[in-house]
Amino acid sequence: EAGVTQSPTHLIKTRGQQATLRCSPISGHTSVYWYQQALGLGLQFLLWYDEGEERNRGNFPPRFSGRQFPNYSSELNVNALELEDSALYLCASSLRGFLNEKLFFGSGTQLSVL
Amino acid sequence: QKEVEQDPGPLSVPEGAIVSLNCTYSNSAFQYFMWYRQYSRKGPELLMYTYSSGNKEDGRFTAQVDKSSKYISLFIRDSQPSDSATYLCAMIRNAGNMLTFGGGTRLMVKP
Repeated sequence: EAGVTQSPTHLIKTRGQQATLRCSPISGHTSVYWYQQALGLGLQFLLWYDEGEERNRGNFPPRFSGRQFPNYSSELNVNALELEDSALYLCASSLRGFLNEKLFFGSGTQLSVL
Repeated sequence: QKEVEQDPGPLSVPEGAIVSLNCTYSNSAFQYFMWYRQYSRKGPELLMYTYSSGNKEDGRFTAQVDKSSKYISLFIRDSQPSDSATYLCAMIRNAGNMLTFGGGTRLMVKP
């Protein structure tokens, strides 16, 4: 069974540009979560989608947004990129209806903003 | 102050040693506690999951939760070089659905 897949693996952008990151959850999982892992800051919660709706978002500015598609895959968009947005962006999925303690993570997209 | 504190390490031990990894937290609402392992350039993978206080054992791994002290631990017996990774504690409130992570402890097990 395929795990959580993320694309691209690496993304290089310049300040002010927009970045789009994609995530496909494990088959049967309807909840998708996005986390940012910056050096020295640990995993910071960004967004949670379930059944196509945004359920919760972390303490990030509105230029971080996303959506979930009918097939439960998800997209994270970061507008007006800033240097401090450089980080590993991790997507995770879980079964709907459960407390999201059992998250399954992808390998991440390494975003570098120059 | 962060909700979940974890010593970043690195923690270096010889092969075969017993490893103790710890987290402290400030919010007594946390009810579910997890440990994730993250290898370099990979996403975290769930190692252990416990509910409320107590111990849970799985092979060489033992997770311990002391809610009265707001302190959780992960013990690794007979540590192996393949255990070299970053270990992240995580916890979740009973009513909420967001997983809060510690900053991670980097462990190096030397042959």
